[in-house]
Amino acid sequence: SAVISQKPSRDICQRGTSLTIQCQVDSQVTMMFWYRQQPGQSLTLIATANQGSEATYESGFVIDKFPISRPNLTFSTLTVSNMSPEDSSIYLCSAATGSTDTQYFGPGTRLTVL
Amino acid sequence: EDQVTQSPEALRLQEGESSSLNCSYTVSGLRGLFWYRQDPGKGPEFLFTLYSAGEEKEKERLKATLTKKESFLHITAPKPEDSATYLCAVQAHFGDGNKLVFGAGTILRVKS
Repeated sequence: SAVISQKPSRDICQRGTSLTIQCQVDSQVTMMFWYRQQPGQSLTLIATANQGSEATYESGFVIDKFPISRPNLTFSTLTVSNMSPEDSSIYLCSAATGSTDTQYFGPGTRLTVL
Repeated sequence: EDQVTQSPEALRLQEGESSSLNCSYTVSGLRGLFWYRQDPGKGPEFLFTLYSAGEEKEKERLKATLTKKESFLHITAPKPEDSATYLCAVQAHFGDGNKLVFGAGTILRVKS
């Protein structure tokens, strides 16, 4: 199984600013994903981070708001842009070694926007 | 649209009191059904993957089963350390096969 770390673990940000979250995997993986977990709710997929190409976004999520990078097979970033209090959430990174393989999750980044 | 419904929303058990959590799903061709455990303030921890109806998997006090419409997570003689939110997710064969669709979860509390 992959071991995944995220930075920062938590942050408190002001409205209108941006935050970049980093996700590091301890081994090369094929697939990396970003999820949002709003307070008291389950996980919603934001996008699939594709290595060497643009991320694939789910309905309701756009690149201008959530730009994603994936420069190699072990690292990805998610930026939450022009934040509002509605963006307060836990952001989770996951990784899988193949399209049908299990997704393993990082510890999450707890974001509070004031 | 793929959909996952978990019940009950919350479950309180006494230590040693066995029970089951339910995950009902609608999916356009099931590639896999996943169970995760999530502790407060942490990311989901993988428990099981089930691929076909009739399949069963066990780990310590947990046993997961799968039918064509639902999955059960059976907890035998639970202990307080089994307290967590249990999440079910499905992955479809067709369309974007990599995507996981999660249910809302069942919050389990086991009292000693």
